[in-house]
Amino acid sequence: DTGVSQNPRHKITKRGQNVTFRCDPISEHNRLYWYRQTLGQGPEFLTYFQNEAQLEKSRLLSDRFSAERPKGSFSTLEIQRTEQGDSAMYLCASSLGGRTGKRNSPLHFGNGTRLTVT
Amino acid sequence: AQKITQTQPGMFVQEKEAVTLDCTYDTSDQSYGLFWYKQPSSGEMIFLIYQGSYDEQNATEGRYSLNFQKARKSANLVISASQLGDSAMYFCAMREAITQGGSEKLVFGKGTKLTVNP
Repeated sequence: DTGVSQNPRHKITKRGQNVTFRCDPISEHNRLYWYRQTLGQGPEFLTYFQNEAQLEKSRLLSDRFSAERPKGSFSTLEIQRTEQGDSAMYLCASSLGGRTGKRNSPLHFGNGTRLTVT
Repeated sequence: AQKITQTQPGMFVQEKEAVTLDCTYDTSDQSYGLFWYKQPSSGEMIFLIYQGSYDEQNATEGRYSLNFQKARKSANLVISASQLGDSAMYFCAMREAITQGGSEKLVFGKGTKLTVNP
């Protein structure tokens, strides 16, 4: 079963350092999403891609955050100059959307990357 | 204003009993989709069930069913014959219609923690 894969599972970093996370979606899925989840809260939308195009970014995504999906397959999320408030679980999800998918296509989530900024 | 409201931070149910988890939503669109996800303590988000706004019948998937009341803007999840493995966080989410400038993202509620007692 080739589900959504995220690496690393855990990342501990010191404040001010840069971190990068990787997400490999389900291969036939054209849409890829990034969410952030803090303790006791639901996932909060950060950004999503259709193929290689980044179609929407949340206001939560400050200029320290950047996401790419260069070939429309895997994606990376980079956080520069990390702050303690960035500590959270970062979830990646993929789905079939647009002309190639159904409107009711659910998002399939990876296991997430837990970031701790000390 | 919150798009998705889950008013029950925690719920308890006896094994083999049924339980209803509440979800109300706010949208001015006529076309939208509602999703429920389960998140066990291990962290992965598991898709459970989908209800489209134009679906005439309530969605069912095994032991999961949706009590969809469109006029009240509620989409409550009913779990029948609860099992110990059902203990988890449950999130309601909505995808609104694609209009000009509309979005494909899912917006999540804050979740309900379900505990199934033996």
